[in-house]
Amino acid sequence: KQEVTQIPAALSVPEGENLVLNCSFTDSAIYNLQWFRQDPGKGLTSLLLIQSSQREQTSGRLNASLDKSSGRSTLYIAASQPGDSATYLCAAYNQGGKLIFGQGTELSVKP
Amino acid sequence: EAGVVQSPRYKIIEKKQPVAFWCNPISGHNTLYWYLQNLGQGPELLIRYENEEAVDDSQLPKDRFSAERLKGVDSTLKIQPAELGDSAVYLCASSLGWQETQYFGPGTRLLVL
Repeated sequence: KQEVTQIPAALSVPEGENLVLNCSFTDSAIYNLQWFRQDPGKGLTSLLLIQSSQREQTSGRLNASLDKSSGRSTLYIAASQPGDSATYLCAAYNQGGKLIFGQGTELSVKP
Repeated sequence: EAGVVQSPRYKIIEKKQPVAFWCNPISGHNTLYWYLQNLGQGPELLIRYENEEAVDDSQLPKDRFSAERLKGVDSTLKIQPAELGDSAVYLCASSLGWQETQYFGPGTRLLVL
């Protein structure tokens, strides 16, 4: 059974700092891995999708990596801004066709 | 382009009452999902539709929950009767096909008293 874990559960950084969010999954047989952002009281917004054959994806200040062999993904945010404050969720698409989510990392970027 | 639309946004009901949530996916998206999200947790899949067919409802508590997507577009999720433990956010998502990027609606926040 696929389990997805995100560490840390919460993170507070000063504006301008580069940061890394971590995600680990137990079953390496995944189709893809996705990173989402969720603002309070809102739905999820897809940030990046990495296919199982890919190693990383980049979008603006965001870079996501995938290492299937170790069961890990990271989301790198460069030059963080207060507007980046949100909960970040990673999700692994398993062989059974389900998106399995981690519990999220709540990020706070202080001005 | 309009995103996934859900209504109502908030619902407060007393236990044992019925409740229904509605979802309109992005136009052209064949796959529709209903998720349950408890506070401080990631969403958990309740049911996935491919057009009008429910292809994965293994996590749907069928004694009280039901869902339909009659014409392969809009979908309704119903709870009858609601229990205190059903208080959560119910999210709808859609995608062009399964394994594709999922686009989420804003969710319906349910409080059962």
